[in-house]
Amino acid sequence: AQTVTQSQPEMSVQEAETVTLSCTYDTSESDYYLFWYKQPPSRQMILVIRQEAYKQQNATENRFSVNFQKAAKSFSLKISDSQLGDAAMYFCACAGGTSYGKLTFGQGTILTVHP
Amino acid sequence: DAGVIQSPRHEVTEMGQEVTLRCKPISGHNSLFWYRQTMMRGLELLIYFNNNVPIDDSGMPEDRFSAKMPNASFSTLKIQPSEPRDSAVYFCASSFGGGSNQPQHFGDGTRLSIL
Repeated sequence: AQTVTQSQPEMSVQEAETVTLSCTYDTSESDYYLFWYKQPPSRQMILVIRQEAYKQQNATENRFSVNFQKAAKSFSLKISDSQLGDAAMYFCACAGGTSYGKLTFGQGTILTVHP
Repeated sequence: DAGVIQSPRHEVTEMGQEVTLRCKPISGHNSLFWYRQTMMRGLELLIYFNNNVPIDDSGMPEDRFSAKMPNASFSTLKIQPSEPRDSAVYFCASSFGGGSNQPQHFGDGTRLSIL
């Protein structure tokens, strides 16, 4: 079983600045995967980035990167050079290695980007 | 390539009526997931299928909810009889292979309102 906690209900950032969204998780599995999904007002769920727990190297996708601290069970998302289109709800999620991909989501963080 | 297709996009109906939500997964994907999103409970997994077989339906709230996957390209989520507390956004997602390392691709969701 997994639990995922996002302690920041809301965050804001100025356009072109950098923001970090926090996420902590707990799982009983030794093999698991972590994801960040973005949900804009259109309500689509869009995969932003994913991290395999067995990999020490932090995942990066263009302006998006993660800080994966396995011992601390922390998985934060950094958005660099923030753009107005980054404004959305962001969800952290975890899938255990034996769970057929069953995702457990955090509560979400609303990100506002100010011009 | 076509993504996950859900219909209808919006559904408004009266309490007690039967509601059927539909999902067409991405061609070639063999895992399918139904999620429900509400303000109070966030995103919850209701049920997931692998190779058309229900693997875990422990998230289905009660017997009024049922889900089927008669073939690899179609799934339904049915609520009978519907109640106002069933009002939510229902997402369908699919992935390839059934492993937790595979990212899930979400449909645009169905916003269900029960009056």
